[in-house]
Amino acid sequence: AQSVTQLDSHVSVSEGTPVLLRCNYSSSYSPSLFWYVQHPNKGLQLLLKYTSAATLVKGINGFEAEFKKSETSFHLTKPSAHMSDAAEYFCVVSASYSSASKIIFGSGTRLSIRP
Amino acid sequence: NAGVTQTPKFQVLKTGQSMTLQCAQDMNHEYMSWYRQDPGMGLRLIHYSVGAGITDQGEVPNGYNVSRSTTEDFPLRLLSAAPSQTSVYFCASSKLAGEGTQYFGPGTRLTVL
Repeated sequence: AQSVTQLDSHVSVSEGTPVLLRCNYSSSYSPSLFWYVQHPNKGLQLLLKYTSAATLVKGINGFEAEFKKSETSFHLTKPSAHMSDAAEYFCVVSASYSSASKIIFGSGTRLSIRP
Repeated sequence: NAGVTQTPKFQVLKTGQSMTLQCAQDMNHEYMSWYRQDPGMGLRLIHYSVGAGITDQGEVPNGYNVSRSTTEDFPLRLLSAAPSQTSVYFCASSKLAGEGTQYFGPGTRLTVL
């Protein structure tokens, strides 16, 4: 079985400070893990993905995530927040070579940026 | 290259009415899917298709039908709308099933009165 838990429903940081969005997962298979971003009234856009290569994954807009198998975590980070980062972020787990029913979305974390 | 397109962007229905949400992609992707997004629940899979002529149920299929007669199009039909179907609906496509790197349409905001 697969599941994904985003530990914070809302995170607020000041512009220029680091961002940490937390995601824990469980999977019976070797998982692929993703972070998507959704800006207000928009569709979802892929930020980055982990597919069993390097455990530190770099994505767009300065975001990165580290796959930690021992902690079953895939936290999203950014060294310095920008106002344009304000959005909803979704962590997604997908079983490799599996059917669509194994693609599970987290409930989302809303990121707010204070000026 | 338009990517994934959805129509309409907004729709209001009365309980019991039926309608079809349209989804099309021009990337020759085999895999297409429909999700609904509700506050605090992330995205939940309604139906998906791994190729023309092949569809299957996701996590929340009740009250919805799909068909896939061509690679490009994947319409979602609401048979008899209910207030519980008020949601934002997203269509997505990817090159392969289970690959996870999905391309999303802009969404359809549906309200059922």
